[in-house]
Amino acid sequence: DVKVTQSSRYLVKRTGEKVFLECVQDMDHENMFWYRQDPGLGLRLIYFSYDVKMKEKGDIPEGYSVSREKKERFSLILESASTNQTSMYLCASAGTGFAGELFFGEGSRLTVL
Amino acid sequence: GQNIDQPTEMTATEGAIVQINCTYQTSGFNGLFWYQQHAGEAPTFLSYNVLDGLEEKGRFSSFLSRSKGYSYLLLKELQMKDSASYLCAVKDSNYQLIWGAGTKLIIKP
Repeated sequence: DVKVTQSSRYLVKRTGEKVFLECVQDMDHENMFWYRQDPGLGLRLIYFSYDVKMKEKGDIPEGYSVSREKKERFSLILESASTNQTSMYLCASAGTGFAGELFFGEGSRLTVL
Repeated sequence: GQNIDQPTEMTATEGAIVQINCTYQTSGFNGLFWYQQHAGEAPTFLSYNVLDGLEEKGRFSSFLSRSKGYSYLLLKELQMKDSASYLCAVKDSNYQLIWGAGTKLIIKP
């Protein structure tokens, strides 16, 4: 059974703290993504990666950075958390098949106080 | 700009049929996806349409008209477990996914 695992389901952080969100997939997928999901809005792409050590900015990269040192692992970093980064963060991976559908992790709900 | 529109919320009765519409305006088109997301859970893939017409998969079917920028997801014989949000997404000319805000489907007994 395919699996995308996110390190934390729920986090509460203070403004200005550094936050690490980790994501691991076991499907040998090349492509990995970080999205945030907010009520009333579609999924918004923060960053994606097509290969190890490769990263591309998505639609809302400001305030975030990423790291992909190994194929199976894609980390999202908030250098200095702010209250407007309170959100649900979803990691996904995708292969290069016909549809290239995304497989999502369970999500990490981050609250910044 | 790029835009995906779908209704915010729909209500249907157990055992009935419901159609969730999605209209899109995107820079190019390389396929349309439907995902299901139960509250507090990850979205899961339901269907992919790249050619016009109807794709059937059990109780769920998805239709696409590229000329009209329109798709629908049809759910038959509704069950309580179908209560979820349904997300429409289009892959644009750069192969990036553009997402709708989702339709929350409420099933009543």
